[in-house]
Amino acid sequence: RKEVEQDPGPFNVPEGATVAFNCTYSNSASQSFFWYRQDCRKEPKLLMSVYSSGNEDGRFTAQLNRASQYISLLIRDSKLSDSATYLCVANTGGFKTIFGAGTRLFVKA
Amino acid sequence: GAVVSQHPSWVICKSGTSVKIECRSLDFQATTMFWYRQFPKQSLMLMATSNEGSKATYEQGVEKDKFLINHASLTLSTLTVTSAHPEDSSFYICSARVATEAFFGQGTRLTVV
Repeated sequence: RKEVEQDPGPFNVPEGATVAFNCTYSNSASQSFFWYRQDCRKEPKLLMSVYSSGNEDGRFTAQLNRASQYISLLIRDSKLSDSATYLCVANTGGFKTIFGAGTRLFVKA
Repeated sequence: GAVVSQHPSWVICKSGTSVKIECRSLDFQATTMFWYRQFPKQSLMLMATSNEGSKATYEQGVEKDKFLINHASLTLSTLTVTSAHPEDSSFYICSARVATEAFFGQGTRLTVV
């Protein structure tokens, strides 16, 4: 079983739609969690951190459920520029950063 | 945010040759750096953890004699792909953590012909 698993995607949505990505992690000792965004052929960039209390940044909302070992990302009012691959990330003990396989999002006009 | 610089951004080499990729932390010291590999449409896969002044820690299935890692200073880690073969063609990317956030180099696209 992979340490971090994500919805496979791709998600094809129209502009303005709301889309949700899910992610689960297997290592209960994981300490911190993030969503990264990766554009084609580019390096990943931090989108936002994920907390149990929830984290909202404009149109983006991230949530962590430690009991279920589940992480989510909600994107409201999708824009064409949101098209990218979204990577769920867990920092485990031992200073490792583990990435999910990524979920590809295509926002259409 | 912190800056990690990776060089070269792309390289084409002949099968059997070796390729060195450099990863530098420009505005901070990184005792630990991470090397990832990403095949098309796949996730970033951690290859190894590079530790300044000591041996790298390799993930299961990664050949340490093929992927040589040197972390001789607090700002530089290098990955050398030895005797490269076409199946080594991939996107290689390094990262370093500052607190809990990972910062990435620009990545190196390696093509072995």
